[in-house]
Amino acid sequence: GAVVSQHPSWVICKSGTSVKIECRSLDFQATTMFWYRQFPKQSLMLMATSNEGSKATYEQGVEKDKFLINHASLTLSTLTVTSAHPEDSSFYICSASKPDSGNTIYFGEGSWLTVV
Amino acid sequence: AQRVTQPEKLLSVFKGAPVELKCNYSYSGSPELFWYVQYSRQRLQLLLRHISRESIKGFTADLNKGETSFHLKKPFAQEEDSAMYYCALHGNSGNTPLVFGKGTRLSVIA
Repeated sequence: GAVVSQHPSWVICKSGTSVKIECRSLDFQATTMFWYRQFPKQSLMLMATSNEGSKATYEQGVEKDKFLINHASLTLSTLTVTSAHPEDSSFYICSASKPDSGNTIYFGEGSWLTVV
Repeated sequence: AQRVTQPEKLLSVFKGAPVELKCNYSYSGSPELFWYVQYSRQRLQLLLRHISRESIKGFTADLNKGETSFHLKKPFAQEEDSAMYYCALHGNSGNTPLVFGKGTRLSVIA
């Protein structure tokens, strides 16, 4: 199967700072990537759809100025949590759509963010 | 509107007992349905998709369009099946995201 990798796997940052999470499709080109967040014992909630070369589409209630998404290449999308606060602490998961497999979606391993 | 409903948050069964994880969906077109599994501290993994009609790790799921259901079944549960199971829906219009249900935690008791 295809591989999607996230980095870092976990990060701790101070309140008020920004942190960047990378999502890479290692063996295929992904024109579309998706960012989810998952709070403990809850389901995945879609945050935004990231399209290569264009602006991301954010879900209702997700602050685009706080969660900056950049999809500058076909294998890399980044999520930057700006001015992080403790309530932003969560598990962030990216997924990528593989075009030549009927748009099968593959998931990264997720990134734990803890804001202290 | 797209919606996936998993009515059970937690399902506990004894080893060797049959398992059925319920999933109902709401979608105006013809969606693609999936089951994903998330073992403790691991990434989400695709378990099966309705179009492939295959059995993975003994699990099967049949899409019932009349009842808009896609229940996951296994005749004999194993301890290693204990995990979170998510039913997901994928619309049929281009690069659309998966819509997830809230998940059901399966606990198989020895």
